[in-house]
Amino acid sequence: QKEVEQNSGPLSVPEGAIASLNCTYSDRVSQSFFWYRQYSGKSPELIMSIYSNGDKEDGRFTAQLNKASQYVSLLIRDSQPSDSATYLCAVKNDYKLSFGAGTTVTVRA
Amino acid sequence: ETGVTQTPRHLVMGMTNKKSLKCEQHLGHNAMYWYKQSAKKPLELMFVYSLEERVENNSVPSRFSPECPNSSHLFLHLHTLQPEDSALYLCASIGRRRARLLERETQYFGPGTRLLVL
Repeated sequence: QKEVEQNSGPLSVPEGAIASLNCTYSDRVSQSFFWYRQYSGKSPELIMSIYSNGDKEDGRFTAQLNKASQYVSLLIRDSQPSDSATYLCAVKNDYKLSFGAGTTVTVRA
Repeated sequence: ETGVTQTPRHLVMGMTNKKSLKCEQHLGHNAMYWYKQSAKKPLELMFVYSLEERVENNSVPSRFSPECPNSSHLFLHLHTLQPEDSALYLCASIGRRRARLLERETQYFGPGTRLLVL
């Protein structure tokens, strides 16, 4: 079983819609959870971090964490063409980061 | 800019060459990482240094040799690489930042070195 799994893409959404990204992880003792955005040819950019169960909102992004279900999600509201990128879920336990394979999102104008 | 720098940004080398990648951060972070990202593949963790001590080596071939002389610098020495080693090599660092009464981890990637082995 992969340590971090993300829903397979690519995900295509119309401009202004909500993009929903899902991630599950296998290590129950994981402590910190992150979403990164990676544009083509660029390095990953941290966009959200979440540590406690529940929702965390930052602008158009909302991260949701459910440790009992070992599930993390990212919602992108009012999607813009500039949101088109690959989104990576990362789970940290102690010093180690495990990344999912990423979900590529395309926002159609 | 994340505060993590990598040099060179692009590198072309032959299979018999020896080169080094450099990563630098002055963020006070205490852990540094090397990742490899090949086309259409997920990030692969190569090495982790925590407080200048190597804590993980993910079955990386010996033609990759990391070095962490101090908490701000990380190197990846390359020798006799193969064409399949062509990839984007990313450095990342993690530190501790106080948020209210709780410690939270922050982490940043450098811009990466695009490596092509001929």
